Amino acid sequence: QKEVEQNSGPLSVPEGAIASLNCTYSDRGSQSFFWYRQYSGKSPELIMFIYSNGDKEDGRFTAQLNKASQYVSLLIRDSQPSDSATYLCAVKTKTSYDKVIFGPGTSLSVIP
Amino acid sequence: DVKVTQSSRYLVKRTGEKVFLECVQDMDHENMFWYRQDPGLGLRLIYFSYDVKMKEKGDIPEGYSVSREKKERFSLILESASTNQTSMYLCASSLAQGSQYFGAGTRLSVL
Repeated sequence: QKEVEQNSGPLSVPEGAIASLNCTYSDRGSQSFFWYRQYSGKSPELIMFIYSNGDKEDGRFTAQLNKASQYVSLLIRDSQPSDSATYLCAVKTKTSYDKVIFGPGTSLSVIP
Repeated sequence: DVKVTQSSRYLVKRTGEKVFLECVQDMDHENMFWYRQDPGLGLRLIYFSYDVKMKEKGDIPEGYSVSREKKERFSLILESASTNQTSMYLCASSLAQGSQYFGAGTRLSVL
């Protein structure tokens, strides 16, 4: 079983809709969870992090964490064509150092 | 803003050459990382460092070495470049909580 799993997509949503990106992880003791956005040909950029169960909102983005189900999601409200990118889920493990495990990414396409 | 600078955006090298990739961060982060990213394989950790002169192997360290002589600088070394090391190389740094900040990347071609 892979440590961090995501649907590879592509996920297509119409402009203005809600995009829902999902991620599951295998290490039950994982502590911190991150979402990165990566445009084609560019490097990943951090868009959100979440440490506690529940929801965390930042503008049009909401991260949701359910540690019991080992599940983290990212919702993008009012999706825009500029949101079209690959979204990487990353999970910080229990090791002493800040090694994170990246998922394979989900490709999102927002259709005008 | 955190700035992570990689010395080259594009590099072309020949098989057997020794290759140095440099990374500098300006935010006094303890941790620094080197990844490679290949289509269909995602981000794979090569090495990371949590302090000056300290290093830990990642998932794919074979054929690579690293150097961290100063806190702000983390170098990746390909001892003898091979064609299967053609890839996008990404450097990142982080504070203790784990949020990583990436450089722009170096696209390396080994011919």
